[in-house]
Amino acid sequence: AQSVTQLGSHVSVSEGALVLLRCNYSSSVPPYLFWYVQYPNQGLQLLLKYTTGATLVKGINGFEAEFKKSETSFHLTKPSAHMSDAAEYFCAVRRIQGAQKLVFGQGTRLTINP
Amino acid sequence: KAGVTQTPRYLIKTRGQQVTLSCSPISGHRSVSWYQQTPGQGLQFLFEYFSETQRNKGNFPGRFSGRQFSNSRSEMNVSTLELGDSALYLCASSLGSGGNTGELFFGEGSRLTVL
Repeated sequence: AQSVTQLGSHVSVSEGALVLLRCNYSSSVPPYLFWYVQYPNQGLQLLLKYTTGATLVKGINGFEAEFKKSETSFHLTKPSAHMSDAAEYFCAVRRIQGAQKLVFGQGTRLTINP
Repeated sequence: KAGVTQTPRYLIKTRGQQVTLSCSPISGHRSVSWYQQTPGQGLQFLFEYFSETQRNKGNFPGRFSGRQFSNSRSEMNVSTLELGDSALYLCASSLGSGGNTGELFFGEGSRLTVL
């Protein structure tokens, strides 16, 4: 069975500092991996995804993530935090074949301090 | 291209009532899936429909049901509402065909409050 673990339910960084949100997954087969962001009272917006190919994936708003198979990790980073990055972030995994079901982590709430 | 549209955005019901939520996927998308989001349980998969057929179902009681119409629009229904059903219900659409990358496009959700 697939599962996703996000380390840290709350992360707080200063504006301009590095953002690092951690995600580890377990999957018996190579998965597709996703990061979504959710702003208050809104749905989920895709930040980036890993399917195949290059393991360093660039997404929107300056975010990127690196797929490390040996570590079963897919951590999300951004070099310099902006106040508008304050939101909740979800890591998700999906099997390559089959149904469109995503398994989500519990989410990490990112706070940006001025 | 219009995004995923969910109606209603907010609703309040009382215990024992039933509710129907609607989702219109992105044009051309044939797969619609539903998720329940609560502070305690996070995002949990309810079910997925593709071409009017339920393709996958999560671990929810039979009070939760859904359907998909020929135009890919979907509805979900919750009967005999309980306080614990208070949640944000998110609909997501995707192309749904085999081999696609499985990216889901989410609506803004329907926030259900059960009193």
